[in-house]
Amino acid sequence: DADVTQTPRNRITKTGKRIMLECSQTKGHDRMYWYRQDPGLGLQLIYYSFDVKDINKGEISDGYSVSRQAQAKFSLSLESAIPNQTALYFCATSDSKPGQSSYNEQFFGPGTRLTVL
Amino acid sequence: GENVEQHPSTLSVQEGDSAVIKCTYSDSASNYFPWYKQELGKRPQLIIDIRSNVGEKKDQRIAVTLNKTAKHFSLHITETQPEDSAVYFCAASMTDYKLSFGAGTTVTVRA
Repeated sequence: DADVTQTPRNRITKTGKRIMLECSQTKGHDRMYWYRQDPGLGLQLIYYSFDVKDINKGEISDGYSVSRQAQAKFSLSLESAIPNQTALYFCATSDSKPGQSSYNEQFFGPGTRLTVL
Repeated sequence: GENVEQHPSTLSVQEGDSAVIKCTYSDSASNYFPWYKQELGKRPQLIIDIRSNVGEKKDQRIAVTLNKTAKHFSLHITETQPEDSAVYFCAASMTDYKLSFGAGTTVTVRA
């Protein structure tokens, strides 16, 4: 089945370290997203991308950067991790083409639980 | 930006009863309102969505209503079952892709 995958699934790191979270998809979707989830805060958009050359900041992009290496791959980096970046991170994809049955639906990956000590 | 408030934060219902979750949004330009369900330890999944040109939409035991004038929308689950226990998130968007999510409602269905 076409899917969205994330690596790693769990990561513990120390303050100041550089961390990269990776997302891959086999859905053939053009749009990809990174969210963070904190208890009681829902899902907050960090970055989103329409294609390899089109990347946009979301609500909470400070402290994060992204790279869209290919249509199927979108990675999130924390250049210098800090404890308040401890959260559950989700990648998601969607299809921009009208007429598709799943148009606009965002498909989420399984999540990466990141702990910054 | 868009601000979405969701109530209640927790909801406990007896199996077979109905559950209602309400959300309000701030930007009258928002025109797309999806609901996502997240089971414990799982990824969020879309369960239903509605656009601003429609007042109500149903899919089996779930329905969503939209009041554009009051800028609020609600999720209704009828005949609740244990598998309805999850966290439900509402969202609003002006663009179809840039979603602003509510904080979530944890629904527990008691057997």
